[in-house]
Amino acid sequence: AQSVTQPDIHITVSEGASLELRCNYSYGATPYLFWYVQSPGQGLQLLLKYFSGDTLVQGIKGFEAEFKRSQSSFNLRKPSVHWSDAAEYFCAVAPYSSASKIIFGSGTRLSIRP
Amino acid sequence: DTEVTQTPKHLVMGMTNKKSLKCEQHMGHRAMYWYKQKAKKPPELMFVYSYEKLSINESVPSRFSPECPNSSLLNLHLHALQPEDSALYLCASSQERVQAGYTFGSGTRLTVV
Repeated sequence: AQSVTQPDIHITVSEGASLELRCNYSYGATPYLFWYVQSPGQGLQLLLKYFSGDTLVQGIKGFEAEFKRSQSSFNLRKPSVHWSDAAEYFCAVAPYSSASKIIFGSGTRLSIRP
Repeated sequence: DTEVTQTPKHLVMGMTNKKSLKCEQHMGHRAMYWYKQKAKKPPELMFVYSYEKLSINESVPSRFSPECPNSSLLNLHLHALQPEDSALYLCASSQERVQAGYTFGSGTRLTVV
C-alpha cells in the first residue's frame, strides 16, 4: 500500500543542537516529496521540495533534506535549531499517478529545550 | 501577491445553520484545494478543483458543498454540520501539477455547537 511515514511523533532538542526528522515513503516510483512546517493554529508553510536532480535540497529557514532512493527516505535536517523552530513538521508526497494530490504524513512535533 | 487568503479566521455555528468559508488567491494558480485538519492530526484532503472544475471529491458528506466561481475564488458551503466537523479548514492552491508544492492559507477554525 502507498504510504508516507514519520516514525517520530515528538522530538525535543536543545537550542543550538542539530536536528534530523525522519520520513519514509512507500510508492512504486519516486514521488514528489515535500516538507511543510505548521505553527500552532496556522496554515502550512513549504520548507523544501524534491522531484529530481540533486538529492540534497536546500530550503528556507536553514533547513535541508536528503533523498535516499535505496532507503525510500527523505529526512529533514538543520545544523543548529532556534527556539522559533518549535512547530509541527509534515512530510508529504504527491504520487506521479495523482499529480494533483498531496498526501501528508502524521507529523512530528518539535520542541526546543532552552 | 503570493498569499492564499481565507475568511473568516474563526467561525462558530449551530447544527442548523448555513455558513460559507471563502478562499482567494491571485497567483494565477489553476488548482485549488480544501483540506480538513483535526487537532494533532495531518491535513486530510476533501476536494480538488482544477481549472474551476471539481476533479477530486474524497467521499466528503454532502453537508459540505464546494464551489469555484472563478479561477481566484473557492468557497465551501456548510449546512447541517455535526460537532465532529469542528476542525481547522485549510485552503491551498498550486500550479496545475504540484511539483512546486501548495501554498496554504492560514485556515478557518470552525466550531460546531
